[in-house]
Amino acid sequence: ETGVTQSPTHLIKTRGQQVTLRCSSQSGHNTVSWYQQALGQGPQFIFQYYREEENGRGNFPPRFSGLQFPNYSSELNVNALELDDSALYLCASSFGTGQIDYTFGSGTRLTVV
Amino acid sequence: KQEVTQIPAALSVPEGENLVLNCSFTDSAIYNLQWFRQDPGKGLTSLLLIQSSQREQTSGRLNASLDKSSGRSTLYIAASQPGDSATYLCAVRPLGYSTLTFGKGTMLLVSP
Repeated sequence: ETGVTQSPTHLIKTRGQQVTLRCSSQSGHNTVSWYQQALGQGPQFIFQYYREEENGRGNFPPRFSGLQFPNYSSELNVNALELDDSALYLCASSFGTGQIDYTFGSGTRLTVV
Repeated sequence: KQEVTQIPAALSVPEGENLVLNCSFTDSAIYNLQWFRQDPGKGLTSLLLIQSSQREQTSGRLNASLDKSSGRSTLYIAASQPGDSATYLCAVRPLGYSTLTFGKGTMLLVSP
């Protein structure tokens, strides 16, 4: 059984650019949630995908968007990058949306310069 | 809006000490509470998950308690070791939501 895999592990982008982060969910999991963790802060919920549909969204602007594919892997896209988007982006997978235990990936460290 | 607070923000102890990390939340309407460990620059490792109907969970040297009515949880670490050095995050899952609300964490340093 594989865990949650995120790619790339590190990324440096210039302000105004666009970025795509990827997440492969744990085998058997059909729900993916994305979180943003700024330095010294707790993770903040961005959005969740359940069976390829968005199933909830946190307080993030529309330039943060996502997709979930039929194999339940997911992408997080951020347009018009800002310096404050620099953070660790975490993906978590789970089975269903009931009372569940999440499995987190190791994250993607995004630096915007 | 659910808010989660963790005290202390940082803690430094000598090896072998027993210690307690605190977590409080403002809304008692939760499904569960979860404690995570995070090593520097890394992802989250789930340590203990307490359902709202439970009072405590234990795993090895770790014991987590939950007092839902008062909005508090504690993580007790017995006989601390240098390998326990990490940031410990508390997260609650509010009723009606399938997402987690996190605290800012407690950074623990255990010195040999």
